[in-house]
Amino acid sequence: QKEVEQDPGPLSVPEGAIVSLNCTYSNSAFQYFMWYRQYSRKGPELLMYTYSSGNKEDGRFTAQVDKSSKYISLFIRDSQPSDSATYLCASYSGGSNYKLTFGKGTLLTVNP
Amino acid sequence: DSGVTQTPKHLITATGQRVTLRCSPRSGDLSVYWYQQSLDQGLQFLIQYYNGEERAKGNILERFSAQQFPDLHSELNLSSLELGDSALYFCASSVAGLDQPQHFGDGTRLSIL
Repeated sequence: QKEVEQDPGPLSVPEGAIVSLNCTYSNSAFQYFMWYRQYSRKGPELLMYTYSSGNKEDGRFTAQVDKSSKYISLFIRDSQPSDSATYLCASYSGGSNYKLTFGKGTLLTVNP
Repeated sequence: DSGVTQTPKHLITATGQRVTLRCSPRSGDLSVYWYQQSLDQGLQFLIQYYNGEERAKGNILERFSAQQFPDLHSELNLSSLELGDSALYFCASSVAGLDQPQHFGDGTRLSIL
């Protein structure tokens, strides 16, 4: 079992839709959770960074972490064509261990 | 722009050859990480350096090695290249020790012919 599992999609939605992207993880030591966005031929770009369980909001993006069920989500409101990219969830345990473990990514297309 | 610079952007070489990938971290970041991204494996952590010293190792082959120099730039050396080494190689940097997130460069695309 991979430490971080992510539905690869692809996911195709109309402009303005609410998008839900999800990951599960198996390592109980994971404490830090991130969402990265990766456009074609570019490096992953940090979108959201959370430490604890609960919600964190930044503009149209909301990251949600449920440590009890080892489930992390990213919600995108009012999705735009410019949101079309691959979204990667990632986790690490912290302390002296900064090794990021990534999901395989979900390819999202927002159609105008 | 993440502030992490990787060169070259694209490298084409043959099996058995050796290449060096270069990374300049963001200003002020002491830690550098190397990752390999392929279609089947996704993003895989290779190795981390902090202020010149190796800090953590992941799924890095013995044919691969890295180092971080006093000016904090880092190089990833890949030798005896095989077709399966064709992938995107990313460098990331962070202010390790303060639980800060990692910021990625745009990668080097390595193609082995």
